[in-house]
Amino acid sequence: EDQVTQSPEALRLQEGESSSLNCSYTVSGLRGLFWYRQDPGKGPEFLFTLYSAGEEKEKERLKATLTKKESFLHITAPKPEDSATYLCAVQPDPSGGSYIPTFGRGTSLIVHP
Amino acid sequence: GAVVSQHPSRVICKSGTSVKIECRSLDFQATTMFWYRQFPKKSLMLMATSNEGSKATYEQGVEKDKFLINHASLTLSTLTVTSAHPEDSSFYICSARPSETQYFGPGTRLLVL
Repeated sequence: EDQVTQSPEALRLQEGESSSLNCSYTVSGLRGLFWYRQDPGKGPEFLFTLYSAGEEKEKERLKATLTKKESFLHITAPKPEDSATYLCAVQPDPSGGSYIPTFGRGTSLIVHP
Repeated sequence: GAVVSQHPSRVICKSGTSVKIECRSLDFQATTMFWYRQFPKKSLMLMATSNEGSKATYEQGVEKDKFLINHASLTLSTLTVTSAHPEDSSFYICSARPSETQYFGPGTRLLVL
């Protein structure tokens, strides 16, 4: 069974204080790993897709990295508007019989001004 | 990115009534759409996979007769919560994917009184 564990569950940062969110996963063949941002009362917003170990993607203050066992979402010099819940999901290889992604519980990030 | 819309964004109804939620892919065709339920401060719970022109695939523990899904066209899937009760109050989110990446709708907040 595919599993996704995100840590920490909650994270409070001061504005400008860089940090990283972790997503550990076990999957029977990784098709892709996804990061989403979710604001309260809204649907998840797509951030990144990573396909293979060693891959990195960046968007503004965010950088996502991937290894064979985990992914990190690095937040550099965060601002209060970066406050949100960040979700990680893994998509299994369809050849294993499933194409349904598994989501983690998310990390709730609060950035204080 | 791809755009997925949901309607309504919020609905309040009396216990025993039925509520229909629409999910549309605005700029792509989707043979498959996904319906999720999200409880406060919890991650996404996949309810069912909606398949255009055929029956939906429900996850274990989800009542098929309670949550009716219809996927009549390549851009529209509907979720009907039949005979709603207060315990059905939740945040319902749909998603679709034009490629490997899932794109989510903005969600529908259902409150059953």
